[in-house]
Amino acid sequence: GAVVSQHPSWVICKSGTSVKIECRSLDFQATTMFWYRQFPKQSLMLMATSNEGSKATYEQGVEKDKFLINHASLTLSTLTVTSAHPEDSSFYICSARSARGSQETQYFGPGTRLLVL
Amino acid sequence: DAKTTQPPSMDCAEGRAANLPCNHSTISGNEYVYWYRQIHSQGPQYIIHGLKNNETNEMASLIITEDRKSSTLILPHATLRDTAVYYCIVNPPNFGNEKLTFGTGTRLTIIP
Repeated sequence: GAVVSQHPSWVICKSGTSVKIECRSLDFQATTMFWYRQFPKQSLMLMATSNEGSKATYEQGVEKDKFLINHASLTLSTLTVTSAHPEDSSFYICSARSARGSQETQYFGPGTRLLVL
Repeated sequence: DAKTTQPPSMDCAEGRAANLPCNHSTISGNEYVYWYRQIHSQGPQYIIHGLKNNETNEMASLIITEDRKSSTLILPHATLRDTAVYYCIVNPPNFGNEKLTFGTGTRLTIIP
């Protein structure tokens, strides 16, 4: 299957600082990438959809000024958590769609665990 | 609105076949059935997907009923590394504006 990487795999930061998470599709070009968040013992919740070269579309309840998404190329999307607070501590997972023939499949990165102190 | 229904948990003995059911009685004609799994502290892993014919790959087999209202994911020889939460999701093949939405899945535990 296609490979999606994330960096860093984990990060600890102080409250009030900003954290940037990178998501890369390593062996395919992804016109659409997604950012999910997962709290302990819960399922994945979609935060936003990112299309290359255009503004991200955020799900209801997700603050676009707090979670900045940049999709500058077909293989890279970044999520910046601005002015992070302890309640932002979570497991952030990116995903990218790959088109194989007439069908698309969505692949996920390994996730980034964020702890805000 | 949940498009799929899965049992919350299942156990399976190591080496045996693990059969994970999924109900999707409201599936549309153009929607595929996708299966993902999430091993603890990792991102979801794509397993398999299908429309109406049975599918098999190196990881698993997918059996879809003739009326397409339910399906079963089969892990033929379960190992301890197959312990994970398994998600059954229905979506059009070319996602378009559809978003992959995760339910609560089935927590499969492989017993030594």
